[in-house]
Amino acid sequence: GAGVSQTPSNKVTEKGKYVELRCDPISGHTALYWYRQSLGQGPEFLIYFQGTGAADDSGLPNDRFFAVRPEGSVSTLKIQRTERGDSAVYLCASSLLEGPGPTYGYTFGSGTRLTVV
Amino acid sequence: AQSVSQHNHHVILSEAASLELGCNYSYGGTVNLFWYVQYPGQHLQLLLKYFSGDPLVKGIKGFEAEFIKSKFSFNLRKPSVQWSDTAEYFCAVIPNFGNEKLTFGTGTRLTIIP
Repeated sequence: GAGVSQTPSNKVTEKGKYVELRCDPISGHTALYWYRQSLGQGPEFLIYFQGTGAADDSGLPNDRFFAVRPEGSVSTLKIQRTERGDSAVYLCASSLLEGPGPTYGYTFGSGTRLTVV
Repeated sequence: AQSVSQHNHHVILSEAASLELGCNYSYGGTVNLFWYVQYPGQHLQLLLKYFSGDPLVKGIKGFEAEFIKSKFSFNLRKPSVQWSDTAEYFCAVIPNFGNEKLTFGTGTRLTIIP
């Protein structure tokens, strides 16, 4: 598509529930990133995919968080046993690995606002 | 690990005023630097970026930023702001090699009064 698409745009869930957040990157972009933006903060890195594999998952806060990208395109961020502290905007970005560096074509989606009540 | 500081949390200006938003980073090696803007209700958009060469970088909508290596700074400037510049501005850094993670500052909220 023309941009990075994230669904749903808003998600309200109860504490302890499981949620899935979806990211559909720009067609042909091989790199995909997940960030989390809490209120009053800048985005914080969670995980980076190169193709189907997670190249760097050092930003995932704990083992309740997991992400997949099985076919190298769409990615799903999965959060188990959600906690109120997980409330944030979850951002996805994709980039085409060419030019001066992978960040040359870094495009963000509009994000999913997750609220855990 | 790298880090980014944006000391101005909220800036309020009148239209036509000049703008300068501070950004300082901490990293021992060569970096690439970015300014992103987030208009109300919209996604993050790239304003400008520095990779190498001329330290004065011009971006969209009349914004520019100057990389001063000795000060580890990449301040954003605009000579005359407009009401439509009301937004949140984020400075970000990524090392030049071997790291795919953008590190963002906490952002500066800019409010322009008509």
